[in-house]
Amino acid sequence: DAKTTQPNSMESNEEEPVHLPCNHSTISGTDYIHWYRQLPSQGPEYVIHGLTSNVNNRMASLAIAEDRKSSTLILHRATLRDAAVYYCILRDQYNFNKFYFGSGTKLNVKP
Amino acid sequence: DTGVSQDPRHKITKRGQNVTFRCDPISEHNRLYWYRQTLGQGPEFLTYFQNEAQLEKSRLLSDRFSAERPKGSFSTLEIQRTEQGDSAMYLCASSRQGIQTNEQFFGPGTRLTVL
Repeated sequence: DAKTTQPNSMESNEEEPVHLPCNHSTISGTDYIHWYRQLPSQGPEYVIHGLTSNVNNRMASLAIAEDRKSSTLILHRATLRDAAVYYCILRDQYNFNKFYFGSGTKLNVKP
Repeated sequence: DTGVSQDPRHKITKRGQNVTFRCDPISEHNRLYWYRQTLGQGPEFLTYFQNEAQLEKSRLLSDRFSAERPKGSFSTLEIQRTEQGDSAMYLCASSRQGIQTNEQFFGPGTRLTVL
């Protein structure tokens, strides 16, 4: 099972950008990088995913290192509603049914 | 908007009793997943269905656990002879085959407490 390493917690001020790091040094060439987040008392929800190139969507941006051994989820302007646990997950392109979540990073957003 | 629903949301039971949880996925989704989440940890994969076929089971799924998806729509997860270590949040998710992201849509979970 491909493993990811994330800081246990991070703190941000409202309206400021947040960079959430993830290390995945054992990533294989067929692994996609997914990010999900889990708001309090809810199931996880999809945020973004990528393979090699940086990705942007309405929620966030994903910056992937050139060697793919690390990635960073970027929230451009954190809001109080972004307070959640953020999970970085590797998904095998050919066995994509199992997600291994790890412990994630708990993001606290201060007003 | 009909997302993934789970029933019940909370279940308290005594050790040794059997419990059954239900998951209703998004209607056009043919893939269904069960996860277990303990406090402070991320969800752990338990099992996966494509239509009515159970295609993968985790080693975490002991012989006391059984999951079914009889008509390829809703699914049930049964735990027999519950133990205190079974106390956790049980999450169900669904996804649609053929979508490149394999984005999984999660339900709110069933919180099980075994006394």
